[in-house]
Amino acid sequence: DARVTQTPRHKVTEMGQEVTMRCQPILGHNTVFWYRQTMMQGLELLAYFRNRAPLDDSGMPKDRFSAEMPDATLATLKIQPSEPRDSAVYFCASGKENRGQAFFGQGTRLTVV
Amino acid sequence: QKEVEQDPGPLSVPEGAIVSLNCTYSNSAFQYFMWYRQYSRKGPELLMYTYSSGNKEDGRFTAQVDKSSKYISLFIRDSQPSDSATYLCATEGSGGYQKVTFGTGTKLQVIP
Repeated sequence: DARVTQTPRHKVTEMGQEVTMRCQPILGHNTVFWYRQTMMQGLELLAYFRNRAPLDDSGMPKDRFSAEMPDATLATLKIQPSEPRDSAVYFCASGKENRGQAFFGQGTRLTVV
Repeated sequence: QKEVEQDPGPLSVPEGAIVSLNCTYSNSAFQYFMWYRQYSRKGPELLMYTYSSGNKEDGRFTAQVDKSSKYISLFIRDSQPSDSATYLCATEGSGGYQKVTFGTGTKLQVIP
């Protein structure tokens, strides 16, 4: 049963702390997306990788957010330092093509207090 | 103004009803249109994927795109309580990489 795996599922942290979220894309998929979902803004694209190369991170606050793909089986999203406004659900998604046919993980629910 | 507008609902219907979910978009360059379903505390899952104008049917679900009015719809026939979820429309332009833009979602509740 192929699925995108995200860890942790839940994270509560204090303001100023570093947060790292991890994603294992579906084997064979060459595109990886990081999205943030809030009630007010809905789903917002933070970063997009194709064949492990970052192609679009225009939606990501560069001063505190960073996204990497150390290898084809791992994508990471890091927030340093975290702020209360970063509280949201962060989704990783992967796909085979460039089009919006993405498979989403279960998400990481982040709360920054 | 958001590029993709969607009524947040909630929309409550009795079991067996026909459900109509709608989105409008502003960018005429959008060529690909998707509907995702998201259950509570789960990730979105792709339901329907269409290109350009027209209808696409899959079981009880029909996606409709009218590019002249920039209007996209999802119809659910014989709705079931298991259809209760948030439905997100999404669009994407053509030619190389284009960012997928999501609507904020419509929450649907099907009452048994």
